[in-house]
Amino acid sequence: GNSVTQMEGPVTLSEEAFLTINCTYTATGYPSLFWYVQYPGEGLQLLLKATKADDKGSNKGFEATYRKETTSFHLEKGSVQVSDSAVYFCALSDRGGNNRLAFGKGNQVVVIP
Amino acid sequence: DTEVTQTPKHLVMGMTNKKSLKCEQHMGHRAMYWYKQKAKKPPELMFVYSYEKLSINESVPSRFSPECPNSSLLNLHLHALQPEDSALYLCASSQESTLSGNTIYFGEGSWLTVV
Repeated sequence: GNSVTQMEGPVTLSEEAFLTINCTYTATGYPSLFWYVQYPGEGLQLLLKATKADDKGSNKGFEATYRKETTSFHLEKGSVQVSDSAVYFCALSDRGGNNRLAFGKGNQVVVIP
Repeated sequence: DTEVTQTPKHLVMGMTNKKSLKCEQHMGHRAMYWYKQKAKKPPELMFVYSYEKLSINESVPSRFSPECPNSSLLNLHLHALQPEDSALYLCASSQESTLSGNTIYFGEGSWLTVV
């Protein structure tokens, strides 16, 4: 079945540091890939997406590239701000019926001033 | 405008109460979803409605009863809940539930506490 793996544990970094959150997936066929962000006390917001290999999704300074050869969709941001503190979920949607989302476990990101 | 609105934002209910969570979207989406999210965990799918018909029930206990009155509205009726049902309940929608690549848009959620 489909699955998404995110790196273990929270990520703590200083303001203006470079952020990488790893995401790898297992899926049959050609899934669509997503990053969602959840700020404290809020629902999930779509951060970016990519629907085919080599697509790059970008938004708010975040980027992720759909790498079919390594089955990865790593999230990066060049210079984080305190306001980027949130939980980040990687997810995939397969091309079967019902548009199910398979989520990774999520990564808590804490940015320190 | 990608907006899914949920009410109420917070709900406290006793185990013998009956309450409802409501969700509305005006994006013309034909698929709507209920997810449950516990603290520090990813959301878990509960129900999917496609063209106002229930298409997926992820073996959810009958104390949760979904309803889709029309293509813009989705309700979740709650009755005889248990304290372990306390969680964030997220409504979501997408254009159609069977097309690949559709983005699922989430609401802000309803925080439910069962006492």
